[in-house]
Amino acid sequence: EVQLVESGGGLVQPGGSLRLSCAASGFSLSSYEMNWVRQAPGQGLEWVSSIWSSGSPLNYAESVQGRFTISRDSAKNSLYLQMNSLRTEDTAVYYCASLSLGRAWELPDYWGLGTLVTVSS
Amino acid sequence: DVVMTQSPLSLPVTLGQPASISCRSSQSLVYSDGNTYLNWFQQRPGQSPRRLIYQVSHRDSGVPDRFSGSGSGTDFTLKISRVEAEDVGVYYCMQGIHRRTFGQGTKVEIK
Repeated sequence: EVQLVESGGGLVQPGGSLRLSCAASGFSLSSYEMNWVRQAPGQGLEWVSSIWSSGSPLNYAESVQGRFTISRDSAKNSLYLQMNSLRTEDTAVYYCASLSLGRAWELPDYWGLGTLVTVSS
Repeated sequence: DVVMTQSPLSLPVTLGQPASISCRSSQSLVYSDGNTYLNWFQQRPGQSPRRLIYQVSHRDSGVPDRFSGSGSGTDFTLKISRVEAEDVGVYYCMQGIHRRTFGQGTKVEIK
């Protein structure tokens, strides 16, 4: 059974850092493009970042460019999002997701349950 | 960046009646491989999103056939032929030709 389990969320002060993890099971995460998506309280979905199966390029939304870094560890079958210089507007539930487009070489659509990041003083 | 615009943002519907959601992109979603990369997602209250439709009109496994997607180029539509109570939630379109962008979401509720 395929599962994506996010962790690492919590309360952090503005300007602080946090590292989110997404542990995958049932497939090899490094074989596919993977994404981070966030959803601020009561708001819509916002794509944050992606990493291709080849490891590059690394893509980021303008709102997080230069502050967030996506990475993965094949041995741990995990995806990460290092978040630095956090702002109050980064408060959201962060999802790990495949966001696949239905192409033959892609995963089906998978999402984790999300992890809540709250940036507040 | 590709901007996705949905309408309406709120859609009260009567059980058993049809519903239609529009999604427009700021540029054509036809990719160089000839495919059109437009997905539809459903997010029920308290749940993670799930994909309903990919490449405009292909339903995902397990998605009821009352859901259908259509459109081309920059104009797309998600239709629910007869709304059921379990269809309450927020629906998002998403483009996949340049990174990913979601529409603002359309909240479907029962009248």
